[in-house]
Amino acid sequence: KNQVEQSPQSLIILEGKNCTLQCNYTVSPFSNLRWYKQDTGRGPVSLTIMTFSENTKSNGRYTATLDADTKQSSLHITASQLSDSASYICVVSPKTSYDKVIFGPGTSLSVIP
Amino acid sequence: GAVVSQHPSWVICKSGTSVKIECRSLDFQATTMFWYRQFPKQSLMLMATSNEGSKATYEQGVEKDKFLINHASLTLSTLTVTSAHPEDSSFYICSAPSTGGPGELFFGEGSRLTVL
Repeated sequence: KNQVEQSPQSLIILEGKNCTLQCNYTVSPFSNLRWYKQDTGRGPVSLTIMTFSENTKSNGRYTATLDADTKQSSLHITASQLSDSASYICVVSPKTSYDKVIFGPGTSLSVIP
Repeated sequence: GAVVSQHPSWVICKSGTSVKIECRSLDFQATTMFWYRQFPKQSLMLMATSNEGSKATYEQGVEKDKFLINHASLTLSTLTVTSAHPEDSSFYICSAPSTGGPGELFFGEGSRLTVL
């Protein structure tokens, strides 16, 4: 069964600190993996997208890594800001159905002053 | 980048009335759009796939007569919650795949429905 798991479920960090969010998936065959940021009451916004051949992708203070062998991905946030407080969702696209993506449950991040 | 717009952002209605939510792709054409429902502190749950010019495809357990979907043009899909009840209160989000590549999904801003 295709699944996407994320950890931790929630995280609280001090402003300025770094943090890493984890995503494990069992989707096979695999097309690509995306990280989205969802602010409360808003739609998800794409941060990064990686295909199976890519190991890392950066977008400003966000850096995503992918290990297709172990089926793991991480999202590293550097020098966190209060505006980083949001839910971060890992989304995996199966190769057989590009549009029927599989959503992880998300990690709720709270950045406090 | 591609933009998907939803309207209204939030709506409050009385029980028994119907509510229509619009999803528009602003700078690209979308023959397919997706509708999701999201409960507090949970991830998005796919409700149905909206297909331009044909019937929508509903996920298992989603009532077709309760959630009417119309994909009238290549840039507009609508979700109508019919005879709404308080348990239909939720956050509804649409998405559309762009032509940028497989898995490229752009999401609307979401619509918060509260049924009194």
